[in-house]
Amino acid sequence: ETGVTQSPTHLIKTRGQQVTLRCSSQSGHNTVSWYQQALGQGPQFIFQYYREEENGRGNFPPRFSGLQFPNYSSELNVNALELDDSALYLCASSLMEDSTDTQYFGPGTRLTVL
Amino acid sequence: GESVGLHLPTLSVQEGDNSIINCAYSNSASDYFIWYKQESGKGPQFIIDIRSNMDKRQGQRVTVLLNKTVKHLSLQIAATQPGDSAVYFCAETSTGFQKLVFGTGTRLLVSP
Repeated sequence: ETGVTQSPTHLIKTRGQQVTLRCSSQSGHNTVSWYQQALGQGPQFIFQYYREEENGRGNFPPRFSGLQFPNYSSELNVNALELDDSALYLCASSLMEDSTDTQYFGPGTRLTVL
Repeated sequence: GESVGLHLPTLSVQEGDNSIINCAYSNSASDYFIWYKQESGKGPQFIIDIRSNMDKRQGQRVTVLLNKTVKHLSLQIAATQPGDSAVYFCAETSTGFQKLVFGTGTRLLVSP
């Protein structure tokens, strides 16, 4: 196990609602990255947080936003949910100062939008 | 690009065989590559990584080969076991860059 935890495990929402997903990083890691994985596809990068600030963003609209807290845990918020937002949401933690940049993933949150 | 199809390539092997999973990466500027294993309903699990200044790296039962000339990466699993059954993804990035770009996954099925 990586030590990266996510909550909740599963979530069902309806179109137009808002959702908050949570991630606790591995001990000693200071960076959290979020990915969206649609069924049958590879994970796609949403954004990364380092020192409580966004440190890079993929091709996702502004209704996808995040936070990182002083203890390095992170939240992913999605507003105005759409049916296509149904996916497995993964967070990965890493140590920015580590030259390997290896990202270790949590188990994910399965979001279903009806 | 970064999108992959719904139908994953599948590699079926017998227990005890050696497996080779291939990946073509997209960015010639990438200098760090990782193989992940993803079991059903779980997050990707780190297997092995390699930097662009190497062409081979070995772990326990796994070997990664990197061919920068043709932008190709492979994962070799020795003496494949039923517990190796999963989807395998390669991912590429550049040192200090934020995002991992995942390749098309390959489903490995190991029969006893």
